[in-house]
Parts: sequence; structure tokens; C-alpha cells
Amino acid sequence: ILNVEQSPQSLHVQEGDSTNFTCSFPSSNFYALHWYRWETAKSPEALFVMTLNGDEKKKGRISATLNTKEGYSYLYIKGSQPEDSATYLCASNSGNTGKLIFGQGTTLQVKP
Amino acid sequence: NAGVTQTPKFRVLKTGQSMTLLCAQDMNHEYMYWYRQDPGMGLRLIHYSVGEGTTAKGEVPDGYNVSRLKKQNFLLGLESAAPSQTSVYFCASSTTGRYTYEQYFGPGTRLTVT
Repeated sequence: ILNVEQSPQSLHVQEGDSTNFTCSFPSSNFYALHWYRWETAKSPEALFVMTLNGDEKKKGRISATLNTKEGYSYLYIKGSQPEDSATYLCASNSGNTGKLIFGQGTTLQVKP
Repeated sequence: NAGVTQTPKFRVLKTGQSMTLLCAQDMNHEYMYWYRQDPGMGLRLIHYSVGEGTTAKGEVPDGYNVSRLKKQNFLLGLESAAPSQTSVYFCASSTTGRYTYEQYFGPGTRLTVT
């Protein structure tokens, strides 16, 4: 069983602050790393799926990096807005199985 | 294109009762999944299916059974509900190959077992 860990568990920032979270995962037999955004009362939605060491992906003010050798990924939000308030989940595939193991999530609250 | 749908949205059961949760997807995805979400625990995989007629156990399969008789449907059954199965259940589907199993989630089913 994989162990995917996220930190911090929760984060409160002011509007306009930039922030980042960490996801750590076992690097052995790595296949893909996923980031999902989960707003209250909605379903998780995919932000990024990354597979290559050194990969960087960007969507608007949100970006992510991947280090498969040391087993971590960072999610960055530049200039946080209240609408960025959500729980951010990461998940790892081990091998080409389609089976994801999710971390516990980082809950972000952005105050206006 | 409805994506992933789940039936029902809410349900209250008494201990020992049985029920089936239905998940349907119209994206022709091969893989389907059932997760449960509990406070502070993230999403935990119950069972998944890699294609019609196949199922496999996830992290927390005990007390649940599943069936995938049609490609578009994935059923989750609770034969004898227990209070520990009070949770929010999410179904998801994904493609394979270069899309690397990106998950498309349904809206969730909130189940309370008293």
C-alpha cells in the first residue's frame, strides 16, 4: 500500500498572498501524480496529471512541479483569491494499474 | 453528456439493512471506481473495475460488494449496513493510456447508517 502525505493539513491566507503545498509519495514504481481541486459541496475536479520527473504544469495562477526521484510534488497558487478556497488533493498511481492512492488533502481558506 | 451520475444522492439506513448504490458514466471509460470520504481521511478506494465483467479490491473493501455487468454502470452493494459505513461515497471513471487515469467524479451519495 502506498502512503501519500500532504502538508499542511490546512492553510489560511489573505487575498493576494501566494502559497504552496506539498505532496510526498513513494518514488518506487512511480507512474503518475494527480492534483485535484475539491470545492465544498462539489466533486473533485482534476487540475493536473504529471508523469515525468521535472515536469511543470500551469493553469492560470496555479502551477505544479514534480520530482519523482525524491517523491514529492509542489502545488503553487500565485495571488490567491477567495474563489481558490477549496481542498486540494494529490494522488499517486503506482505502476500502470489505474489504482490511485489519495492523500488527506490540504484545505485552503483565502480571506478577502 | 451527463458525465458520471450517482443514484441516490442521500440515504438513511438502519443497521443490518442492505442497499445498492448505482454509478453510471456516458464517456465510454474503461475504468470505474468507488471511494468513500470520511473527515480527515481523504478519499479511500473501496473497489474498482478495469472493464466490463471485472472487479478488484481497493484499500477498504470489507463489507462491500461490487458488480460491473455493463461497461457504463458500476454498482456498490452493502449487504448488511453498519454505522461504520456512514460516509460520503464517490464514484469515478477514467480512461487509460496517455490520459494516465485522470478521474472524473460523480456528485456523491451521502449515506447515514443508524
